[in-house]
Amino acid sequence: GAGVSQSPSNKVTEKGKDVELRCDPISGHTALYWYRQSLGQGLEFLIYFQGNSAPDKSGLPSDRFSAERTGGSVSTLTIQRTQQEDSAVYLCASTFVRDRAENTEAFFGQGTRLTVV
Amino acid sequence: GESVGLHLPTLSVQEGDNSIINCAYSNSASDYFIWYKQESGKGPQFIIDIRSNMDKRQGQRVTVLLNKTVKHLSLQIAATQPGDSAVYFCAEKYSGGYQKVTFGTGTKLQVIP
Repeated sequence: GAGVSQSPSNKVTEKGKDVELRCDPISGHTALYWYRQSLGQGLEFLIYFQGNSAPDKSGLPSDRFSAERTGGSVSTLTIQRTQQEDSAVYLCASTFVRDRAENTEAFFGQGTRLTVV
Repeated sequence: GESVGLHLPTLSVQEGDNSIINCAYSNSASDYFIWYKQESGKGPQFIIDIRSNMDKRQGQRVTVLLNKTVKHLSLQIAATQPGDSAVYFCAEKYSGGYQKVTFGTGTKLQVIP
């Protein structure tokens, strides 16, 4: 596809259940980000993958959150034992990173709206 | 630091007036800056960018100003229209090392018809 694709677009889950959110980045993009956005608030950084480097997990709010990126492409964000405060829009972005001379912006998906009931 | 879940500040502007949205960035080594626009229900979209070797860049109805001395970035929107109503985020990146983009907290722009 031409853009970043996220699935599902909406997810309603019961408290205590595990959920998996998927992100398909733009083909060839080496870097991938996950953000969380609560209603009316800013972007909360969760995790950053860049090439073969170890991911920057500094934004993950608890050990219930994890993410992986298989084969340098598709990424899955997993939330275990979901809580009501996990309800938010989860946004994925990808960008192409090569060298200092080349700056490209991050392209965002439409997000997954997670509701924990 | 990273953007956290803070309630967004709001800027209200009369239609037709010019808007100025400000952003203070955190890393003095950052050399690439981007403004994004996020409309309701959508992901953020690129508006304009600027490298640190410039202090001004103009697009269509938008101008970005960079003041590296005080680590300040601004987005000016000329003749603001109702379609400009959105949340605006600035972002910074240092091109060396990890090259991670860091987002600011965002500003909600409300255009009054």
